[in-house]
Amino acid sequence: EVVLTQSPGTLSLSPGERASLSCRTSQSVSSSYLAWYQQKPGQAPRFLMYAASSRATGVPDRFSGSGSGTDFNLTISRLEPEDFAVYYCHQYGYSPYTFGQGTKLAIK
Amino acid sequence: QVRLQESGPGLVKPSQTLSLTCSVSGDSISSGGYYWTWIRQPPGKGLEWIGYIYYSGNTHYNPSLKSRLSISEDTSKNQFSLKLTSVTAADTAVYYCAAPKRGFSYGYVYWGQGTPVTVSS
Repeated sequence: EVVLTQSPGTLSLSPGERASLSCRTSQSVSSSYLAWYQQKPGQAPRFLMYAASSRATGVPDRFSGSGSGTDFNLTISRLEPEDFAVYYCHQYGYSPYTFGQGTKLAIK
Repeated sequence: QVRLQESGPGLVKPSQTLSLTCSVSGDSISSGGYYWTWIRQPPGKGLEWIGYIYYSGNTHYNPSLKSRLSISEDTSKNQFSLKLTSVTAADTAVYYCAAPKRGFSYGYVYWGQGTPVTVSS
């Protein structure tokens, strides 16, 4: 199965700063099949990005995605208080579909 | 707007069968085009894709669970269900039902609130 490795495990930043989250896949994944989710404590995940760089409906444009092959990134240009959460990358190009272990974005 | 709601026992004994149901509102399961999915999350850990049912009963399972897993649908009740046999402590998790928009197999925009299941004697 395709293993997704996210880094860093925890990222401590302040509101207003820029966040860069990384997702590396164990084999090349088409950018068409890479997504990102946001999860807050006690809540179900929220769909953020698909096809590596396309925002889901209602996602603010401070969120952007990029990457190809085995390296993908999620960038939040200017952190808002509601952005502090855990972020998961997800590949749906190969079965079984898999998720990364998550990056926790914490308030500094 | 599709809404999903999981239900089932919160405690299951080892070696027994875990059975969960996801009730769908806002659209009909029999209308087709949805990939009705189960995803789980062990305590303090990440997400694991379990499998889905789509297009009148076709299923696709995670190979790691396939020998113990069954996902089915009940169109009369507008529900889909998960059965996982021979459970162990490793199956302890919050179980979510989820679905993408109609016609898409990816991008889970619809989620239940999650139901915690503990496997313990």
